[in-house]
Amino acid sequence: QKEVEQNSGPLSVPEGAIASLNCTYSDRVSQSFFWYRQYSGKSPELIMSIYSNGDKEDGRFTAQLNKASQYVSLLIRDSQPSDSATYLCAVNTGGGNKLTFGTGTQLKVEL
Amino acid sequence: EAGVAQSPRYKIIEKRQSVAFWCNPISGHATLYWYQQILGQGPKLLIQFQNNGVVDDSQLPKDRFSAERLKGVDSTLKIQPAKLEDSAVYLCASSRSNYNEQFFGPGTRLTVL
Repeated sequence: QKEVEQNSGPLSVPEGAIASLNCTYSDRVSQSFFWYRQYSGKSPELIMSIYSNGDKEDGRFTAQLNKASQYVSLLIRDSQPSDSATYLCAVNTGGGNKLTFGTGTQLKVEL
Repeated sequence: EAGVAQSPRYKIIEKRQSVAFWCNPISGHATLYWYQQILGQGPKLLIQFQNNGVVDDSQLPKDRFSAERLKGVDSTLKIQPAKLEDSAVYLCASSRSNYNEQFFGPGTRLTVL
């Protein structure tokens, strides 16, 4: 079982729709969870961090965390073509701040 | 606030040659990370420094890779000798401390022929 799992996609959504990206992790002691956006040929850009159960909203982005189910998700409301990118889920593992990344989900927002 | 700086941005070498990458973290960030990202995969941590001490290098292929962070600021990652499978993007990231959000530099794309 991989430490951090994501569906590789591509996930296609129409412009203006809600995109839902999911991630599961295996380390029960993980405390920090991050979503990074990576455009093709660019480096990862941090868009959301979440540390406690529940929802955290920032503009059009909402991160959701359920530690009991070892599940974290990212919702993007009013999706725009500029949101088309690969979204990486990262989870701290093994204590400290070592991040383990998933393979990423490719999101395509279609006009 | 200036971001993480890396150089060079691109490097092409032949196998068995050596190569070095440089990273300057965000000012005031005590923790520095080197990641390797192979096409189609997420970044994989190679080494983590807290100031100038190594916190985690468990995934660093120490027979060919080395890294240092003299004076607790800039860092250099070296590969000697390079193999074909080292072709990847090498990302440097930094954070304020060992438990904060990490911010990435632009990366160095290495091609080994």
